[in-house]
Amino acid sequence: NAGVTQTPKFRILKIGQSMTLQCTQDMNHNYMYWYRQDPGMGLKLIYYSVGAGITDKGEVPNGYNVSRSTTEDFPLRLELAAPSQTSVYFCASRPRQGTNYGYTFGSGTRLTVV
Amino acid sequence: DAKTTQPTSMDCAEGRAANLPCNHSTISGNEYVYWYRQIHSQGPQYIIHGLKNNETNEMASLIITEDRKSSTLILPHATLRDTAVYYCIVRVAGPMDSNYQLIWGAGTKLIIKP
Repeated sequence: NAGVTQTPKFRILKIGQSMTLQCTQDMNHNYMYWYRQDPGMGLKLIYYSVGAGITDKGEVPNGYNVSRSTTEDFPLRLELAAPSQTSVYFCASRPRQGTNYGYTFGSGTRLTVV
Repeated sequence: DAKTTQPTSMDCAEGRAANLPCNHSTISGNEYVYWYRQIHSQGPQYIIHGLKNNETNEMASLIITEDRKSSTLILPHATLRDTAVYYCIVRVAGPMDSNYQLIWGAGTKLIIKP
């Protein structure tokens, strides 16, 4: 199993540009999450999904959108990039209800908006 | 805001046991305590979790006080590779228990010294 795969690993965007951060997992996990992490801080939840076709907002959803058309993929979309979105983005997944396994994280996407 | 309090940083000698404390005085009866670690900008890694009883796995032990207001993560024989930021997190249950969210604080930076 590859686990959780994120692409790209690094990206520089200009203000106002858009991009999609890709996240895919091959563990058949129902639950998927997007977090951002600013320097020296803990992770903040952007969006999450409990299954294909279902998404919900987390703590800091403004400026982002997500979709979940398949169990495997959970892309994060930035429509109008702003300097405040400079951060490291992590995608995570975990098995469904009834288990208490921890999250599996991807290796992150480091995004700089200039 | 995070519901846990951890020291900002700690040192430990290689080969010794590393004991990382965490206060969670407002924890509810059905909330779990999770521990993750993050090694230098990588994605966080699940370590262990518990509810009431002490837990042990191949990575660490988790000691939870009887009143559940604090816990200690123990790495029995710390190595240089255990240098990381360690996060103690209380699991916040969502509208359905299945979609719980993790609220991350800033964690404890543990430095293992030769």
